[in-house]
Order: sequence, then structure tokens, then C-alpha cells
Amino acid sequence: EPEVTQTPSHQVTQMGQEVILRCVPISNHLYFYWYRQILGQKVEFLVSFYNNEISEKSEIFDDQFSVERPDGSNFTLKIRSTKLEDSAMYFCAGDLTRSGANVLTFGAGSRLTVL
Amino acid sequence: KQEVTQIPAALSVPEGENLVLNCSFTDSAIYNLQWFRQDPGKGLTSLLLIQSSQREQTSGRLNASLDKSSGRSTLYIAASQPGDSATYLCAVRGLGNTGKLIFGQGTTLQVKP
Repeated sequence: EPEVTQTPSHQVTQMGQEVILRCVPISNHLYFYWYRQILGQKVEFLVSFYNNEISEKSEIFDDQFSVERPDGSNFTLKIRSTKLEDSAMYFCAGDLTRSGANVLTFGAGSRLTVL
Repeated sequence: KQEVTQIPAALSVPEGENLVLNCSFTDSAIYNLQWFRQDPGKGLTSLLLIQSSQREQTSGRLNASLDKSSGRSTLYIAASQPGDSATYLCAVRGLGNTGKLIFGQGTTLQVKP
């Protein structure tokens, strides 16, 4: 069964450093998402991406965050200058459509620890 | 603003019991509702997707129901097994041109042998 692949599985970084989290979506998916889950808290929506542009973003997704799909396969989340509160599990997800007729498929996540 | 709540927060049952997990949402204008399973430190595995026009969905020992008008969904697990131990999350997708899911905080289930 096709999978959403995320790398790295765990990254430890110093506060203020830039971090890039990578995702390889399922090949026929068109809509892509990043979610995050701070330890012990709810899974929160960050951003959705379609046709090489952001289609929706949450208030969490400020200027420190950016997303891109540079080569048509990898979908990346960049945090420019990490803060302690960015420590969380980050999940990539993909969908065939925006309508929700299909199941949103999540990757295994990338755990980010900011020291 | 949509809020999703799950009760109980944690549940411990002996193997073989049938159990019900509850999910409620404040805005009934949803497109669909999805139940996920999350193992400790792992990703989200989709279990069942219920469209707003549907009343229930079944997959093996799992049955999810949806009462959109009252803002409730239940996940029924029959004949629970230790391998069912995990956190179960429900999430709703709103109407309109959005793919965003709003998640509940989850119910952590422990099934004891």
C-alpha cells in the first residue's frame, strides 16, 4: 500500500537554527498538508498546499514557516529560526482531492526537539 | 469555531470487552469525520471515514456512527484485544473549500490481557 514518507524521523537542533522537514507524498496525491502535535496536545493544522501554492494556513503558520515542493516530489516544511515551542511531532499528509471524499493519508511524522 | 472533544480521555478494559469511544463537535456543518489510531510516538493510521450523509461505517471489529445534527460520533470496538491498545483520535473536516481537519485530543485505550 502506498505510503507517505517523512524524513528525518527525529531531529535535535539548537534554538535559532533553521530546520527542514521533508515528505515524499503518495505519487497521485494532489493536496498536501502539514500538521503538528506538541507532546500531550491535540494534532493541529498548519498549512495546506496545492498547485505549488499555499491554499490555507493557520495562525500558527507565521513568517518563520515556509513550505515548498521544489522538484514535484518532495514536499518540505522549513522553520527559519527555531524556538523552544517549535518542539513537536510534525506530520505530513496528502489527499487525492480537496473534497474529503477520500481518506487523508498521514506520514509517520518527524519529531523535532529544539534545545 | 469548531471544537472537537473526546471522552473519556483514557480507558482501561480487560481483553474481550466491547467498548465505545465518544467524539463530539460543536459545529454540525461538517463534510466528514475520520477516526484515527495513533500508537505511542508514531503517526496517524486512518481507521474509518464517515461522510456527512452517512450514518455509520464498519471495518472488521470497528464500527463508527455519526449523528451530525447532535454533533456526535462513536467508535465501537468489539471483542477488544491487547493489540487495540493505542490512542484513538477523531477529526472533522468542515464544509467549503477546505481540506483542514480539526482533531479531538484523543482517547488512550489500554486493553489488558
